[in-house]
Amino acid sequence: DSGVTQTPKHLITATGQRVTLRCSPRSGDLSVYWYQQSLDQGLQFLIQYYNGEERAKGNILERFSAQQFPDLHSELNLSSLELGDSALYFCASSGRSYGYTFGSGTRLTVV
Amino acid sequence: EDQVTQSPEALRLQEGESSSLNCSYTVSGLRGLFWYRQDPGKGPEFLFTLYSAGEEKEKERLKATLTKKESFLHITAPKPEDSATYLCAVQATTGANNLFFGTGTRLTVIP
Repeated sequence: DSGVTQTPKHLITATGQRVTLRCSPRSGDLSVYWYQQSLDQGLQFLIQYYNGEERAKGNILERFSAQQFPDLHSELNLSSLELGDSALYFCASSGRSYGYTFGSGTRLTVV
Repeated sequence: EDQVTQSPEALRLQEGESSSLNCSYTVSGLRGLFWYRQDPGKGPEFLFTLYSAGEEKEKERLKATLTKKESFLHITAPKPEDSATYLCAVQATTGANNLFFGTGTRLTVIP
């Protein structure tokens, strides 16, 4: 157990739908990062939150959004889903050190 | 723009056959270079962080080294349980402090 918890582990949904992925960071970590991993691509950085505020954006689509709550858990919202959004979505957290700890991911399948 | 290139894409080794994985990087300023191990369908597992050229770190059969342009992950006398995808990532001193990943080397160790 890495200490970073992601739910759900698997999600199957239809095109056009909206889903929410949840991440609880490791205890004490203020930063949360979201990454997408598709079969033919490496880990792509989506967005970072630090202590409730958006800190950095990567290749995140406008259909995707995220937030971090006062208890530091984070949610990634994916809307108007397309087949190409099928991927593994990982959350990572970091604290005072520069190392990242990843969760076990949510596998999203859009049918 | 930050770039990370890993080679080879895939590597098959006999048990006990030592080898090295390469990670070439281009970054405006290097804050850290990270190695992760990822098993299929799971989150990346942290292995090493290297901060400056000449630095080396070891863990069991793995040894990571860093120069100004590349990093090597040396695997000595690998075992079948070392089979995984090994990911390299850089963190820049400027801009967002997210990790920028390569696409990985898929290692298979045959008994």
